[in-house]
Amino acid sequence: EAQVTQNPRYLITVTGKKLTVTCSQNMNHEYMSWYRQDPGLGLRQIYYSMNVEVTDKGDVPEGYKVSRKEKRNFPLILESPSPNQTSLYFCASSFSREATQYFGPGTRLLVL
Amino acid sequence: GEDVEQSLFLSVREGDSSVINCTYTDSSSTYLYWYKQEPGAGLQLLTYIFSNMDMKQDQRLTVLLNKKDKHLSLRIADTQTGDSAIYFCAERVYNNNDMRFGAGTRLTVKP
Repeated sequence: EAQVTQNPRYLITVTGKKLTVTCSQNMNHEYMSWYRQDPGLGLRQIYYSMNVEVTDKGDVPEGYKVSRKEKRNFPLILESPSPNQTSLYFCASSFSREATQYFGPGTRLLVL
Repeated sequence: GEDVEQSLFLSVREGDSSVINCTYTDSSSTYLYWYKQEPGAGLQLLTYIFSNMDMKQDQRLTVLLNKKDKHLSLRIADTQTGDSAIYFCAERVYNNNDMRFGAGTRLTVKP
């Protein structure tokens, strides 16, 4: 089944404790991106990747890192999480930047 | 404006039509999308329309595009309780192909 998977789906952590949210797609998509969803703000792009080893900042990259060592995986790294990073995070992928994006199920993060 | 704008809430009775409205930002946006998000789930692409079209119909869904006013609407005919969800409008910005999302409209369908 073609899909985008994220892990974990739910996470509660404390300020400053490094965490990684994984994202994987099995559709051989070149383009992947991370969004955060906050009430009243819709989805805002954090980072995106056009291909392996090619990443770039989105609208709200501060406090986040990404890597794209393999085509199928695009982990989101929070080196030192803060409470304002409490949010719902979505990974998405598509064949290209112009193509329709497919979204993962979301990761709900609470930073205490 | 700078934001894709949608009203936050809509409530309809089962069997009625729902119309969700969206105002987008860039008159040269190439594609406009409607996504559906059910509780606890990710975003599911419902439909999209290319900017050179005025209307697109897909079963119970009708998308209308008014480029002059930068207005997009999604009509759901014969709305069912299973249509209760958050609906996001999104545009693909022409100059950099970024996706820009609205805040989402929560549709509640009452029996």
